[in-house]
This record gives sequence, structure tokens and C-alpha cells, in this order.
Amino acid sequence: DADVTQTPRNRITKTGKRIMLECSQTKGHDRMYWYRQDPGLGLRLIYYSFDVKDINKGEISDGYSVSRQAQAKFSLSLESAIPNQTALYFCATSDGSRGENSPLHFGNGTRLTVT
Amino acid sequence: SQQGEEDPQALSIQEGENATMNCSYKTSINNLQWYRQNSGRGLVHLILIRSNEREKHSGRLRVTLDTSKKSSSLLITASRAADTASYFCATAVSSNTGKLIFGQGTTLQVKP
Repeated sequence: DADVTQTPRNRITKTGKRIMLECSQTKGHDRMYWYRQDPGLGLRLIYYSFDVKDINKGEISDGYSVSRQAQAKFSLSLESAIPNQTALYFCATSDGSRGENSPLHFGNGTRLTVT
Repeated sequence: SQQGEEDPQALSIQEGENATMNCSYKTSINNLQWYRQNSGRGLVHLILIRSNEREKHSGRLRVTLDTSKKSSSLLITASRAADTASYFCATAVSSNTGKLIFGQGTTLQVKP
């Protein structure tokens, strides 16, 4: 979905480095999410936010932090990257107008490799 | 553990055939959604079925939901090579959080 833009698309970093993955959206949606995808495990929720003052932990928030700088921007940080954080990371949005019946709109992902 | 488990993990068919994928889940849900993921891309929403619905159609897609068995199926009729992708079911279990729990996915290959 071109309305949800993730940068960078690919990133290789070393263990212990701090990195930030960025997500911006032009859909005007209030709700934003960060998921990670690992082979055989599907997608797992890291953090989600309903507005700039609302941040919530997902299933696997340890080792990650987020910042909702504006309605349109939601960044994910790894303070000290470790190899098992190697994964494909997705940002998603929803407008929430239908509550939990609002579908998610995904960006194209950031492939992160931690060596 | 994952809420949704999909079966089969991989499916290979000829163009024109039908493809059926199944999803089972563990807890009560508000709705179940199906997403498609093309290689190297983000997920795209296909269809949503609410817990009080039993069947839903969208173009060549047909989704069924059996809440007594905690299972759903996605049928793609008259498949095309462009349907080659991974398909994920996702369940909404919490009230008004929009949080989805995804299955591991079914990889579909449609041979021309």
C-alpha cells in the first residue's frame, strides 16, 4: 500500500547498534501498528498506537521502543540490536471507524538483518 | 502460541483449479480476516467475516466461518497465476483495540 511508507526497505546492522525504522502514512488514519514477521511464525504485534498520546505494548515489545511523532508518523527503535531481531518489520494503519472491524493497511516492510 | 493455525502450509495447483485454505483458532473472536502477501511486499486485506456471519463472498473469494469448530476456510475459485502468494488468516479477539493475531500462512503456487 503506497499510502503507508516504510524506510529503509533494507537494513544491515551490527549487534549492539541502535537503529530506527520509520513509518509514515497519508491515509489520515489514527491507529498505527508495528508487526514483525518471521518464517513459520506469522506476524506478531510489537506496539500499537491510537493517537499521538497513546502507546500500547503488543505481544513482543521487549527490546523495542516506539515514538508517535505525529498522527502520520510512527517509528520503531531497537536500542541495542541483537541477532534474533533479524526479521521483516511491517507498519500498518487502520482508521478505527468500525472498531475492530476496520482492516489493516500495510506498508511494504523493512527487512532488518542484525549480524 | 499462535491463535491461528493454517492448513495446508503450502499448496500447488494448476491455473483454473480451485484453492482451499483452512484456518483454525483457539479463542472467541469478534471477526476473522484474510490477507494476501505477495513476495517481498506488505499484506493486503482481502475479506472480513464477522462472528455472526457464516459465509461471505467477494469476487472469486468465498470465506466460511464455523464458530462452533473455531475454523474458517478461504476458497479461491478459478485460480490464476497472479493468485500466487501467501495467505494469512487473522483474528480480532479484543474489544475495540484493532489488534489482530495472525496465523502462519499458506503459500499458494498457481502454475500457468
